[in-house]
Amino acid sequence: GAVVSQHPSWVICKSGTSVKIECRSLDFQATTMFWYRQFPKQSLMLMATSNEGSKATYEQGVEKDKFLINHASLTLSTLTVTSAHPEDSSFYICSASSRAGEQYFGPGTRLTVT
Amino acid sequence: KQEVTQIPAALSVPEGENLVLNCSFTDSAIYNLQWFRQDPGKGLTSLLLIQSSQREQTSGRLNASLDKSSGRSTLYIAASQPGDSATYLCAVKDSGYALNFGKGTSLLVTP
Repeated sequence: GAVVSQHPSWVICKSGTSVKIECRSLDFQATTMFWYRQFPKQSLMLMATSNEGSKATYEQGVEKDKFLINHASLTLSTLTVTSAHPEDSSFYICSASSRAGEQYFGPGTRLTVT
Repeated sequence: KQEVTQIPAALSVPEGENLVLNCSFTDSAIYNLQWFRQDPGKGLTSLLLIQSSQREQTSGRLNASLDKSSGRSTLYIAASQPGDSATYLCAVKDSGYALNFGKGTSLLVTP
């Protein structure tokens, strides 16, 4: 089946620094990738939709200047959390959409901001 | 805005029981519905995908049904095993590209 990877799987950073998370579709081309955030015991909340070669579309309430998304190729999207604060600590999950419309999810990245 | 609700929020059953997880959604104009499994601290594993034109999908001990008109889906797990313990998420794809997730059902299967 289709595989999506994320790197890193976990990261701890200091408040005020920036963190980049990579999402890769390993064996298929994904024209659309999605970034979700999940707080403990909550469901996944969509942050933004990323289309290859164009600007990401952010959900209401998500700061585009804080969460920078780049989708430079059909297999790679990156999320950069700029000037991270403790309230940004969360589980970030990406997904990639196949042509059939099924979404395949990455293993997630646990971000802890101290 | 599409809202997805899952009932129950948590469920504990002894090994071997058959069980049903419920999912409801408010807008019946969907493209598809997916059931996922999530283990603690992990990403999502897709279990079953039901297109809007389909009524059900089966994979091994799992069977998912879809009644679009009533806005409901059920996930049936036969002969449950301790390894089935996880959170099960229902997600609906409607007019947008993204999925709308329920909060999940946390399942514990005891030996």
